[in-house]
Amino acid sequence: LAKTTQPISMDSYEGQEVNITCSHNNIATNDYITWYQQFPSQGPRFIIQGYKTKVTNEVASLFIPADRKSSTLSLPRVSLSDTAVYYCLVGDEAAGNKLTFGGGTRVLVKP
Amino acid sequence: NAGVTQTPKFQVLKTGQSMTLQCAQDMNHNSMYWYRQDPGMGLRLIYYSASEGTTDKGEVPNGYNVSRLNKREFSLRLESAAPSQTSVYFCASKHEANQPQHFGDGTRLSIL
Repeated sequence: LAKTTQPISMDSYEGQEVNITCSHNNIATNDYITWYQQFPSQGPRFIIQGYKTKVTNEVASLFIPADRKSSTLSLPRVSLSDTAVYYCLVGDEAAGNKLTFGGGTRVLVKP
Repeated sequence: NAGVTQTPKFQVLKTGQSMTLQCAQDMNHNSMYWYRQDPGMGLRLIYYSASEGTTDKGEVPNGYNVSRLNKREFSLRLESAAPSQTSVYFCASKHEANQPQHFGDGTRLSIL
């Protein structure tokens, strides 16, 4: 399983863009990169998933360089409600791998 | 849309008591999962069920048993609760490999 490394915490301010980079140096050919968001007292919620290049949805963008050894979750114009823990997961469940949640990145958005 | 429903939401047990945590999903998903989350930590996989009728151990299965009762329901049982099992337990489901998991809101379990 590809091991991931994320910053433990990040602070930001309302209206700013937040970028969280996840390192996964030993990512395998068929591994997907998936990000989840977790608010206190709630289960994680899927944000975005990608395999290569760039993926964008209504809440975030995911940038994946050509070597796929890292990925960056971008949250545009954050608000106080974006304060949460963000998890990066890497794996290929079709191959029987079970994704592992690391410690995540605690993002604090300040007014 | 109910999604993934976990019961109970809170429970306090005494050491040695038994308990079954219930999980049901209404999304016709094939795979279901049980995780535990200790304070300030990420989620750790206890058991999972790739499809109805199958179950497999995850990262931390000791002290737990599971039953995939049917496609909708996946229960987690603590036969003899220990204080080390005090945690928040999350159930999740997904349709197929590499699709996003959908999580319930958790069961907060305290063992005295």
